[in-house]
Amino acid sequence: ETGVTQTPRHLVMGMTNKKSLKCEQHLGHNAMYWYKQSAKKPLELMFVYSLEERVENNSVPSRFSPECPNSSHLFLHLHTLQPEDSALYLCASRSFTGELFFGEGSRLTVL
Amino acid sequence: AQSVTQPDIHITVSEGASLELRCNYSYGATPYLFWYVQSPGQGLQLLLKYFSGDTLVQGIKGFEAEFKRSQSSFNLRKPSVHWSDAAEYFCAVGHGSSNTGKLIFGQGTTLQVKP
Repeated sequence: ETGVTQTPRHLVMGMTNKKSLKCEQHLGHNAMYWYKQSAKKPLELMFVYSLEERVENNSVPSRFSPECPNSSHLFLHLHTLQPEDSALYLCASRSFTGELFFGEGSRLTVL
Repeated sequence: AQSVTQPDIHITVSEGASLELRCNYSYGATPYLFWYVQSPGQGLQLLLKYFSGDTLVQGIKGFEAEFKRSQSSFNLRKPSVHWSDAAEYFCAVGHGSSNTGKLIFGQGTTLQVKP
């Protein structure tokens, strides 16, 4: 248990669906991250929020839309995804000393 | 450009044998260095970190790593591997005090442990 909870753990969606991934942290951190992990590729940073403000948007397609309503919650809204978007999506929160604490991930399959 | 290289994609060791996983980095400033471990179907768990001071750092599960600035390396070691250590290991570099605290990850090394 890392203090970062992601739901759902598994999601299967069609290319025309709209779904959301949720992340919640109970560690009192001020920064939260979305990473994408695909097979055979390094972790790809997608978005960073610090104090609920987006500070990094790593050239992510607009079909991924993040939302950070407060410092404990982070969402990733998904719309008209492509099969190549199938991956493990990892949420993390950052401590004041710089280390990231990861959730267990949401495994997304796009049909 | 900032980067992390883990030269070994797969490593197989026998249970009880020693282990060393290599990590080389390229970073313009004084780096913060991390090793994470990921078991199948799980997120990443922090094993250890180096910010400053003693270049040999101890982590959880009996792991240690040594920062060598002259070689731009931060190799992970364990004297005696257990079957439960089979997992994927990621080295990461960043600057903890930056606004984003962005970490750059290597491609990972998959460790297989033979009985």
